[in-house]
Formats: sequence, C-alpha cells, structure tokens
Amino acid sequence: EAQVTQNPRYLITVTGKKLTVTCSQNMNHEYMSWYRQDPGLGLRQIYYSMNVEVTDKGDVPEGYKVSRKEKRNFPLILESPSPNQTSLYFCASSLLNPGRGEQFFGPGTRLTVL
Amino acid sequence: AQTVTQSQPEMSVQEAETVTLSCTYDTSESDYYLFWYKQPPSRQMILVIRQEAYKQQNATENRFSVNFQKAAKSFSLKISDSQLGDAAMYFCAGPSSGTYKYIFGTGTRLKVLA
Repeated sequence: EAQVTQNPRYLITVTGKKLTVTCSQNMNHEYMSWYRQDPGLGLRQIYYSMNVEVTDKGDVPEGYKVSRKEKRNFPLILESPSPNQTSLYFCASSLLNPGRGEQFFGPGTRLTVL
Repeated sequence: AQTVTQSQPEMSVQEAETVTLSCTYDTSESDYYLFWYKQPPSRQMILVIRQEAYKQQNATENRFSVNFQKAAKSFSLKISDSQLGDAAMYFCAGPSSGTYKYIFGTGTRLKVLA
C-alpha cells in the first residue's frame, strides 16, 4: 500500500530534550516536506527536500533540522525543543515539485513540549 | 509576497444543500496547480481536487468543483448535495512563486447540519 508513515504519533517531552520524528514513504517520491499545524494558522512549511542530500528552508525553519540521506526517509530533528514547538506535525511527499503534483500526507505527530 | 487567503474561518450548510468555500491566491507564476485538501476529525489530510492554472475548464470531481478565476486570483470550492461526511477543515494550497515551497491557507471549518 502506497503510504507515508510517521513515528511516533504522539509525543510528550520536556524542554531541551532532543527528539527525532521519523518519516518514510514507499512511493519513490522525489519531494518530501515537513509542516506544522497550529490553530488559526493553517499548515506552515518547516523544511522541504527536492531529492537526496538536497534540502531547503520553508517558512518556519527555526529550531528544526532535517536530513535526507535516503530517498524514502526524511526525519525531523528538534535539537532543543521549546514549548512554542508544541504542535501537530505532518510529513508529506510528492512525485513532482509542489507546483505540479499533489502531496501525500502522513497521519500526523502530536508533539507536546512541557 | 506569495499569499493564499481563506477569509471564512467557519461555514455551515444544511445537508443536501450547496456551499462555496472561498480562496484567493496571489502568484507571479503563469503555469501551476492549485489544490483543495480536506482534513476530517481524524486529522488525515486528503486531496479533494486540483486545478491546472492554464486550463480554461474548471475542475470537477463528483460533487466537488472549483471556480477558478485567474485574473481575479480566486479559487473557490463548491460542494453540491452536502453530506454529513463533508464536515471537516478545508485548506486551499499552492506553490510559492520562484521556489519549491508550498503554501496553505488558514483553513475553513465546514459544519454540515442534519
């Protein structure tokens, strides 16, 4: 089954404790992306990747890191989480760049930073 | 600046009636796709419909159709014969000019009244 998976689905952590949210897709998509969703703000793009070893900042990259060492995986790293990073996070992938193709989304990760 | 604007935070529609959700999209691109996504209470992001900007004909998918007015930068979603399962958050989205970023509107919450 074609899908985007994220883990964990729920995470409660404390300020400053490094964490990684994994994302994997099995559709051989070139483009992958991370978003955060906050009430009243919609989805905002954190980072995206056009291909292996090619990543770039979205609109809200501060406090996050990403890597794309394999085509299928695109982990999101919070080196020192803070309460303002409490949010719902989505990973997504698409075959083509965002101007041409739809994105397929993972199920979301609910992160709470205390 | 690249913008996607949804000016209706919430709307209601009676079951079996028709409702139109508004979106305006400002871009300097000439060829691109625009998208509507649905987010039900499960939080999963689901593609509803896409519109290719250079096509004259408005896209239709069963009960969902768009009214794309390129000059007016308007990209509205019409839902006909509304069903209880249509209750969700709806986001319009598209690419950011000259980049590989992806931009979402702030969303419209649709309530369907029985």
